[in-house]
Amino acid sequence: DAGVIQSPRHEVTEMGQEVTLRCKPISGHNSLFWYRQTMMRGLELLIYFNNNVPIDDSGMPEDRFSAKMPNASFSTLKIQPSEPRDSAVYFCASSHSYEQYFGPGTRLTVT
Amino acid sequence: AQSVTQLGSHVSVSEGALVLLRCNYSSSVPPYLFWYVQYPNQGLQLLLKYTSAATLVKGINGFEAEFKKSETSFHLTKPSAHMSDAAEYFCAVSDDFGNEKLTFGTGTRLTIIP
Repeated sequence: DAGVIQSPRHEVTEMGQEVTLRCKPISGHNSLFWYRQTMMRGLELLIYFNNNVPIDDSGMPEDRFSAKMPNASFSTLKIQPSEPRDSAVYFCASSHSYEQYFGPGTRLTVT
Repeated sequence: AQSVTQLGSHVSVSEGALVLLRCNYSSSVPPYLFWYVQYPNQGLQLLLKYTSAATLVKGINGFEAEFKKSETSFHLTKPSAHMSDAAEYFCAVSDDFGNEKLTFGTGTRLTIIP
């Protein structure tokens, strides 16, 4: 298996623009997680899906953030409008038997 | 809810010396405990996992961790540090059974001194 795939790997955008991050989980994994990592705040869980259904979105910072999982093999995290404070590395992870496997991350820079 | 505390945000050891990274979990016995490693510009990678089958767990790259209920600890060790071990290490704990969410510690950055 290719592991968790994320795209793009790097994104640079201007404040106010819409940003969409994409994730393809490992086939057969039932749970998917979106995390954000910054120097200041460390690793934060944003949202967690199980069987494509959002279970816990308490970590989503505000209404500008939204996540979808239309099927078992694809998820998106959207930020609209983006702000400079959203600059971070965003990770997607999928899990099986409580073992989470992380993608390589998307480094987002909002100027 | 379960939680973990990692003692020491930065640890430096000499190459060839013992590596000891500390993790303590909240008082209720957790279902599962984990150690993850993050190399620069990469995602987190699973090092090892405790599932109550054995208190001493061996992982990849020569690392191991021992679950000690009396001390509520799950410290990570490696007998002899290698330069390639330089990375950030995260301890994590699972929530209640049926929920695959993990709660991560704040991480320990390991530096290896040549």
